[in-house]
Amino acid sequence: SAVISQKPSRDICQRGTSLTIQCQVDSQVTMMFWYRQQPGQSLTLIATANQGSEATYESGFVIDKFPISRPNLTFSTLTVSNMSPEDSSIYLCSVLRDRGETQYFGPGTRLLVL
Amino acid sequence: AQSVTQPDIHITVSEGASLELRCNYSYGATPYLFWYVQSPGQGLQLLLKYFSGDTLVQGIKGFEAEFKRSQSSFNLRKPSVHWSDAAEYFCAVGARGSGTYKYIFGTGTRLKVLA
Repeated sequence: SAVISQKPSRDICQRGTSLTIQCQVDSQVTMMFWYRQQPGQSLTLIATANQGSEATYESGFVIDKFPISRPNLTFSTLTVSNMSPEDSSIYLCSVLRDRGETQYFGPGTRLLVL
Repeated sequence: AQSVTQPDIHITVSEGASLELRCNYSYGATPYLFWYVQSPGQGLQLLLKYFSGDTLVQGIKGFEAEFKRSQSSFNLRKPSVHWSDAAEYFCAVGARGSGTYKYIFGTGTRLKVLA
């Protein structure tokens, strides 16, 4: 398994501002993922963050809106830029473990944009 | 196209009753299959997974799931539900692409448990 922490756990932000979410893992991992879970919905993959390379974004998500950093094998950040109320969601990070087949998730960051 | 379907959006059962949550997938190869649970205000917790071998897999919290290739299903079961099982349950398929590995999630089933 994996021990994953996220900061902040929740935040209320004003539209037009940006928020950076941190994800910390208890040991080194190659692949980290960032998801968005809109209210009452399933999880949507935003991007895959590999250490030492640019993040790979899914269709509908762009780097200008969701810049990602991956400075080392235990840490990543996701920034939600120029926020609007439509960005109100839970943002989750996950890591790949168990021979690279199983994802383990952080507790999530609950974001409300006013 | 690869997909995961959870036909039941909401399920309500009485405490102590048995439970079955349905999951159907569409995937070209032998899939990696997962069930996760998300309690209110929490992240996702892995309940169980199937990669190969015995088609009946045991998980945490008394859950089990059965892989049926002929039906493309991976249904989650529990013989006796506890009030603390009230949560959202997600089925997922691990899909390999060209140098990539991603999850395809179902839409989730919200379980309500009546006392």
